Amino acid sequence: EIVLTQSPGTLSLSLGERATLSCRASQSVGNTYLAWYQQKPGQAPRLLISGASSGATGIPDRFSGSGSGTDFTLTISRLEPEDFAVYYCQQYLSAPITFGQGTRLEIK
Amino acid sequence: EVQLVESGGGLVQPGGSLRLSCAASGFTFNSNWMSWVRQVPGKGLEWVANIKPDGTESHYLDSLKGRFTISRDNAKNSVYLQMINLRADDTAVYYCARVPGSYSLYDYWGQGALVTVSS
Repeated sequence: EIVLTQSPGTLSLSLGERATLSCRASQSVGNTYLAWYQQKPGQAPRLLISGASSGATGIPDRFSGSGSGTDFTLTISRLEPEDFAVYYCQQYLSAPITFGQGTRLEIK
Repeated sequence: EVQLVESGGGLVQPGGSLRLSCAASGFTFNSNWMSWVRQVPGKGLEWVANIKPDGTESHYLDSLKGRFTISRDNAKNSVYLQMINLRADDTAVYYCARVPGSYSLYDYWGQGALVTVSS
């Protein structure tokens, strides 16, 4: 099983700042089999990024993904009020599909 | 517009059974793999099972094999999760989710169905 470890657990930032969230895999997931989701309280997750760096339909371009192998990053260039949420990475290279434990992005 | 609507959640006693349903609309249902993903309240996401478009192949989290069964009815545009011998640690919100292509990521999710296993 591929274990995904996200850091930090909680990130406190101000509006307009840049957010950098990390996802590290216990073994390589290549350069395409990594997705990022955003989840707000009481809502289902929303797909942000697939293939490590491709934005999903309708996702603002302030969200970007990068990385390959075992180290991946989600960057939010300028934080808007609606960006404060929990973010999860997910690998879909091999079964079982696994998610990271999440990073909570909170307003400072 | 793609919509996934779960139903069938509720309170069940340990050892009991429950069947979740997910009604899909807004896309060609018989073209997509479908999955169930669960989330213990306040915790992270856990993949449960998925099923092929024609229903002939399914996969499960190892720890759930034998207790959970995923199925689908393409005529009704629905996917199901039958759960038996439920335990307290099965308490979670269960989401159905659509797989957009060949790879198991999820582009649309339902609103979730809360299953509470308690006496």
